[in-house]
Amino acid sequence: DVKVTQSSRYLVKRTGEKVFLECVQDMDHENMFWYRQDPGLGLRLIYFSYDVKMKEKGDIPEGYSVSREKKERFSLILESASTNQTSMYLCASTPLGLETQYFGPGTRLLVL
Amino acid sequence: AQSVTQPDIHITVSEGASLELRCNYSYGATPYLFWYVQSPGQGLQLLLKYFSGDTLVQGIKGFEAEFKRSQSSFNLRKPSVHWSDAAEYFCAVGGGAQKLVFGQGTRLTINP
Repeated sequence: DVKVTQSSRYLVKRTGEKVFLECVQDMDHENMFWYRQDPGLGLRLIYFSYDVKMKEKGDIPEGYSVSREKKERFSLILESASTNQTSMYLCASTPLGLETQYFGPGTRLLVL
Repeated sequence: AQSVTQPDIHITVSEGASLELRCNYSYGATPYLFWYVQSPGQGLQLLLKYFSGDTLVQGIKGFEAEFKRSQSSFNLRKPSVHWSDAAEYFCAVGGGAQKLVFGQGTRLTINP
C-alpha cells in the first residue's frame, strides 16, 4: 500500500512565525502536491513538484514556498504565517505518468 | 480551463436508501475522472476512477459512477447507504500534467 505521511495532524502557530509542513511518501513517486482545503472551496493546489529540486506554482502559491531536496520528501513553508492561512493542508503523491493521487491524512493548521 | 461543479453542498439520506451525488465537469478533451471520499479528520481516499472504456465504473465500498459525455457528468451512486458512508465526497478531473482539479465537495449525512 502507498503510504503518505504528514509530520503533524494539528498545529497551532502565531502570526508571523515561519511554519514548516512536512510530507513523506514511501513509494518512490515522482510527483508530489500540496493542497489547502477550506469549507465550500474544495481542494486548491498550492504547489507541486515533478522531481527533486523542481517545483511549479499551483493556483494559490502566494504566501507559500516549497522545498524538495529528496524524492520522498516535500515540504511546504509558510514564511510568515497569517491568520488567513488557517486551513487544512493535504499532501499527495503520484507516480510518473499516472493521474491517481494518494493523499496523506492532512495537517490542520491554526494561526492565531 | 478545467473545472468541476458539485451542485449539492450537503445531502441527507436515510440508512438503506439509495444515493446519487452529482458531478459536472468542464474539459476540452476526454477527461480522467475521479471520486474521492474524506472521513472526518482524515485524508482523501480514492473511491473510483474513469480513464476510458466502459462508462460505468465500479469502485470500493459498493459505489459506482457513470460517465456521460453528452452531459459532462460523472455522478456517483450507491444502491443502499450505510451509516459509515457519512463523509465528504469530492469529484475531480485530471487531464494534463498529472494535476487534478477538485469540486467543492458534497457532505453526506446519514439518518438512522
